[in-house]
Amino acid sequence: GESVGLHLPTLSVQEGDNSIINCAYSNSASDYFIWYKQESGKGPQFIIDIRSNMDKRQGQRVTVLLNKTVKHLSLQIAATQPGDSAVYFCAERTGANNLFFGTGTRLTVIP
Amino acid sequence: GAVVSQHPSRVICKSGTSVKIECRSLDFQATTMFWYRQFPKQSLMLMATSNEGSKATYEQGVEKDKFLINHASLTLSTLTVTSAHPEDSSFYICSALNGGASTDTQYFGPGTRLTVL
Repeated sequence: GESVGLHLPTLSVQEGDNSIINCAYSNSASDYFIWYKQESGKGPQFIIDIRSNMDKRQGQRVTVLLNKTVKHLSLQIAATQPGDSAVYFCAERTGANNLFFGTGTRLTVIP
Repeated sequence: GAVVSQHPSRVICKSGTSVKIECRSLDFQATTMFWYRQFPKQSLMLMATSNEGSKATYEQGVEKDKFLINHASLTLSTLTVTSAHPEDSSFYICSALNGGASTDTQYFGPGTRLTVL
């Protein structure tokens, strides 16, 4: 598989601040990237996606940035809320439709 | 949005028994489904890709005789963990590709927590 870690990086932010979660992907041939949110004991929930022909995409309170030169993906969450606390995974598509997930980052929002 | 369900959500079994996990796409047809395994505090690891009406494609290191996958219809894929052992205890998650959608989004089920005693 692609990059998979054995422990989760963590990020703590104050409620109302902006959050930036980073992800380094490994396959330069990947053409599609997705950010997922996973709450404890639940399956991943789609947040936002971006194709390799774009470098930025915005959703509601979220923005994904793609830098293909350095194989870097980031997720920006504006005005972070307690409900945003979760583990966030980036995933890259390689091959037909196989998704490979990154290490994940645990976001904790401090009220 | 598209909904994917899994059953059961939680199962505890004795070592040596087999456990079947179902994955259903509730409001769309899924020609392709995926099975992932997730250990605590780790990422999702793709186990296999399941295509309706054909044999599943397993990732390297995943034993196809131990993790039996059947995708008999466009809305149902099953994963059977045969002769389960404690090291098979994990969170198993399926996802389904909405073949009729204009995007390539995979929709994930809620996961099944397997505990083997």
